[in-house]
Amino acid sequence: DAKTTQPPSMDCAEGRAANLPCNHSTISGNEYVYWYRQIHSQGPQYIIHGLKNNETNEMASLIITEDRKSSTLILPHATLRDTAVYYCIVVKAAGNKLTFGGGTRVLVKP
Amino acid sequence: NAGVTQTPKFQVLKTGQSMTLQCAQDMNHEYMSWYRQDPGMGLRLIHYSVGAGITDQGEVPNGYNVSRSTTEDFPLRLLSAAPSQTSVYFCASSYSSPATGYGYTFGSGTRLTVV
Repeated sequence: DAKTTQPPSMDCAEGRAANLPCNHSTISGNEYVYWYRQIHSQGPQYIIHGLKNNETNEMASLIITEDRKSSTLILPHATLRDTAVYYCIVVKAAGNKLTFGGGTRVLVKP
Repeated sequence: NAGVTQTPKFQVLKTGQSMTLQCAQDMNHEYMSWYRQDPGMGLRLIHYSVGAGITDQGEVPNGYNVSRSTTEDFPLRLLSAAPSQTSVYFCASSYSSPATGYGYTFGSGTRLTVV
């Protein structure tokens, strides 16, 4: 599976959009981009995933560049409860396992 | 529908002791995995299973055994506990490949300390 690169930490203001970047320059055509988050001490939680089209659900939006080498997770109106570590993961379609990297520690400030 | 249930939530072991961390899911999920998370670090895959009777090693399998005799249960056995195995252990499951649909559902973790 392709490796990902994320900034180790970022702050954002409550009520503003949070844009979390992820670089996956070695991604191949049959690999998905998945985003999870882990709120302090809890198990990770699925957020969203995509292959090449942009995706949106009730939690977030995922923007994937046309060359698929990077993506951005957007939390449209960050709340204090969005403070967490966010993991960007690339995984082969029908792959057997998920490999987590270091993630981005997001702190939402009042 | 309980999801993924891990027991115990907390455990303290002495070096050299063995124990089994339990993981059960009631969602008829085929895929299950065990991860460990050391303080301030990301999750590392220990073992995973793609169905009953089938298991495979992840990134850090040494010192751990698994078995998958039923779809519901995926216990993780520590053979001879060492202080380096002090960690939080998470179990996860998915209906099929974690690269489909909503990916993995995680349990709430077992916090293990080896003294």
